[in-house]
Amino acid sequence: DTGVSQDPRHKITKRGQNVTFRCDPISEHNRLYWYRQTLGQGPEFLTYFQNEAQLEKSRLLSDRFSAERPKGSFSTLEIQRTEQGDSAMYLCASSLESGRTGELFFGEGSRLTVL
Amino acid sequence: QKEVEQNSGPLSVPEGAIASLNCTYSDRGSQSFFWYRQYSGKSPELIMSIYSNGDKEDGRFTAQLNKASQYVSLLIRDSQPSDSATYLCAVFSGGYNKLIFGAGTRLAVHP
Repeated sequence: DTGVSQDPRHKITKRGQNVTFRCDPISEHNRLYWYRQTLGQGPEFLTYFQNEAQLEKSRLLSDRFSAERPKGSFSTLEIQRTEQGDSAMYLCASSLESGRTGELFFGEGSRLTVL
Repeated sequence: QKEVEQNSGPLSVPEGAIASLNCTYSDRGSQSFFWYRQYSGKSPELIMSIYSNGDKEDGRFTAQLNKASQYVSLLIRDSQPSDSATYLCAVFSGGYNKLIFGAGTRLAVHP
């Protein structure tokens, strides 16, 4: 399978715990995005990488959230001291730099439930 | 004002009819516009992109763009029950350097 893969697909955690999600983009894609989606809403932009550089970060992203893409390949999204409001689907997407901006390929998502 | 607005629906149409989905956006500098389809419990998938004013057709789908009115629409001809999904309008905002999604319109096609 050469699509975007995310792990884990589901995560249940207790409030206050830290969680980390991993995303492996399509191999030749150098742009990687993280979005968050809650029920009945569209995906909400969190952050964006071009290769290993984090070029954009949402003002909505608190300092409890951090994302990395150390070698320009896979990426991790960590949420520290989780809160119940963090419960959502976390979506990763990738695209080609040379492609039309906005043509994103999404992974299946990582669903987070904070108890 | 939300950056990308859509009617949440549900929009219910009979099989074989034309479904019309609409979207407005606030950033006049936006250059790229997209429609994504999202089935329940699945992730979004790109179905149409449009970059210039006018119509763009792809099979049963037609995207329409009017930059002066800041309006994007998607027409689905000969709607099928398999088209039942949430349709997300997305706009690439050059000013914000990111793809912004609307909340989506839920379409239900009944036999």
